[in-house]
Amino acid sequence: NAGVTQTPKFRILKIGQSMTLQCAQDMNHNYMYWYRQDPGMGLKLIYYSVGAGITDKGEVPNGYNVSRSTTEDFPLRLELAAPSQTSVYFCASSHLRGPRGEQYFGPGTRLTVT
Amino acid sequence: QKEVEQNSGPLSVPEGAIASLNCTYSDRGSQSFFWYRQYSGKSPELIMFIYSNGDKEDGRFTAQLNKASQYVSLLIRDSQPSDSATYLCAEQGGGATNKLIFGTGTLLAVQP
Repeated sequence: NAGVTQTPKFRILKIGQSMTLQCAQDMNHNYMYWYRQDPGMGLKLIYYSVGAGITDKGEVPNGYNVSRSTTEDFPLRLELAAPSQTSVYFCASSHLRGPRGEQYFGPGTRLTVT
Repeated sequence: QKEVEQNSGPLSVPEGAIASLNCTYSDRGSQSFFWYRQYSGKSPELIMFIYSNGDKEDGRFTAQLNKASQYVSLLIRDSQPSDSATYLCAEQGGGATNKLIFGTGTLLAVQP
């Protein structure tokens, strides 16, 4: 299993551009998450999904959109990029509910908006 | 607003010593707690989870949970330079989403 994969690894965007961060998992996990991590900070939840076709906002959803058309894929869309969106983005997935619902993380996408 | 608090460190310990990492949380309804290790430039990886009061041991790692005091800790015995990383504490509340709230992490530096 490849686990959780993310593309691209790095990206530089100009202010106002848009892009999609890709996330895929091959573990048949129902739950998927997008986090951002700013320097010296913990992870903040942007959006999450509990299954195909079901998504919901996390702590910091403004400026982002998601979709979940399949169990495997959970892309994150940035519209009208702003410097405040410069961050490292992690996608994660988990299988079980409750205390054993360990989240597995992808390698991350480092995004710079200038 | 649910919060998870950690001392940002750095916590510096000599090789072979016990490293003690601490975390407090605000939500009395929190059910489970996770410790993740994150090397610089890498993604978080799970070390342990705990959901019952008391201690849970796994090799050199021991997680401790005290729900009355809303306190969770991670002890690393026989610390090695390879343990040098940021340790993230996360709490999972109830509900059907498995959402985690993360602390800002504690940077551990193990000195050879």
